[in-house]
Amino acid sequence: GDSVTQMEGPVTLSEEAFLTINCTYTATGYPSLFWYVQYPGEGLQLLLKATKADDKGSNKGFEATYRKETTSFHLEKGSVQVSDSAVYFCALRPSGAGSYQLTFGKGTKLSVIP
Amino acid sequence: EPEVTQTPSHQVTQMGQEVILRCVPISNHLYFYWYRQILGQKVEFLVSFYNNEISEKSEIFDDQFSVERPDGSNFTLKIRSTKLEDSAMYFCASSRFEGQGTHEQYFGPGTRLTVT
Repeated sequence: GDSVTQMEGPVTLSEEAFLTINCTYTATGYPSLFWYVQYPGEGLQLLLKATKADDKGSNKGFEATYRKETTSFHLEKGSVQVSDSAVYFCALRPSGAGSYQLTFGKGTKLSVIP
Repeated sequence: EPEVTQTPSHQVTQMGQEVILRCVPISNHLYFYWYRQILGQKVEFLVSFYNNEISEKSEIFDDQFSVERPDGSNFTLKIRSTKLEDSAMYFCASSRFEGQGTHEQYFGPGTRLTVT
């Protein structure tokens, strides 16, 4: 079945450091790929998405590129802020018609220190 | 900005009791979902619901679980006879109908269920 693997956390960075959170997936065809973020005490919020190979999703300074050849969707940000401290989840939605369930990775907790 | 709401935020129940978790999806959304996250584990899909019936369900969603849209605004998850292993955070989500689109899902803040 479909699966998502993302790097283990927690990740601790200093403010303005470069962030990479690795995400790889296993699925047939061309799934849609997502990054969700969960701030303390809140629900999951969609951060960015990509629906086909070589698409780049971006939002709030975060980027991720859909790489079909490496089945990856790594999250990057050039300069993190304290307010980026949260748990980040990589997820996929299958390419088949009528299937909308999301498969998530385990989540990576990011802490940014001043 | 419209959002998905869930009540209660925390529910404590004894093993064997029935619980109902409530969600109010975004008003113009037509697809509804339940997910759960056991502490330290992945967020797992339970069930999706469209047009007043279950659209998809996972292996986790066995006979002790049921979902309902009792009126035009609420979407509920019932666990008939809770077990210790049902302790988890339960997330509700909703999405618009988009045909072959991405069905971007909007999540609620979750209900933490503790079974003792």
